[in-house]
Amino acid sequence: SAVISQKPSRDICQRGTSLTIQCQVDSQVTMMFWYRQQPGQSLTLIATANQGSEATYESGFVIDKFPISRPNLTFSTLTVSNMSPEDSSIYLCSVYRDSFTYEQYFGPGTRLTVT
Amino acid sequence: SQQGEEDPQALSIQEGENATMNCSYKTSINNLQWYRQNSGRGLVHLILIRSNEREKHSGRLRVTLDTSKKSSSLLITASRAADTASYFCATDADRDDKIIFGKGTRLHILP
Repeated sequence: SAVISQKPSRDICQRGTSLTIQCQVDSQVTMMFWYRQQPGQSLTLIATANQGSEATYESGFVIDKFPISRPNLTFSTLTVSNMSPEDSSIYLCSVYRDSFTYEQYFGPGTRLTVT
Repeated sequence: SQQGEEDPQALSIQEGENATMNCSYKTSINNLQWYRQNSGRGLVHLILIRSNEREKHSGRLRVTLDTSKKSSSLLITASRAADTASYFCATDADRDDKIIFGKGTRLHILP
């Protein structure tokens, strides 16, 4: 199993500022995923982060708004840039539990509120 | 785009009763997964059912899959207060290495 931690667990930020969320895994993994969960909604994949290459973004998400770093096989960061109240969400990172079936382990999430 | 659609959106039952949630999807799949999320925290994987399976059990969980109807159900028997959570189905939808989550069912177990 993989244990995933995220920092911060929650934050309240002012519009126009940026927040960087950290995701740490206790084992080496090739792929890490970043999701957004808006209030009362389901999870939407933002991007897939592979170590040593540029992140792959899903439709509707761009690098300028959500830059991602993946400096090694156990760590990744997601930055939410130039925030607006619409960015208020829970941000979750995940890794594969099984790369053949795509089952995933999730971190505890970062609850972001933008005022 | 959303692949899975759970129903009902919300469900309240008495402790000890059984809870049934349904998930419908649109395209062919290799497998379907169910996850639980407590109070806006991280998701926990519950069970996976492959497209060639019709039913699967894990403890108090029973999952069925009907690929002809593109639907799955999750049954939680003898519900407990700790089962209060949101439940999401997720499918691979033949996409490369990604899964897509449904909208979820909020389950509330009444004491």
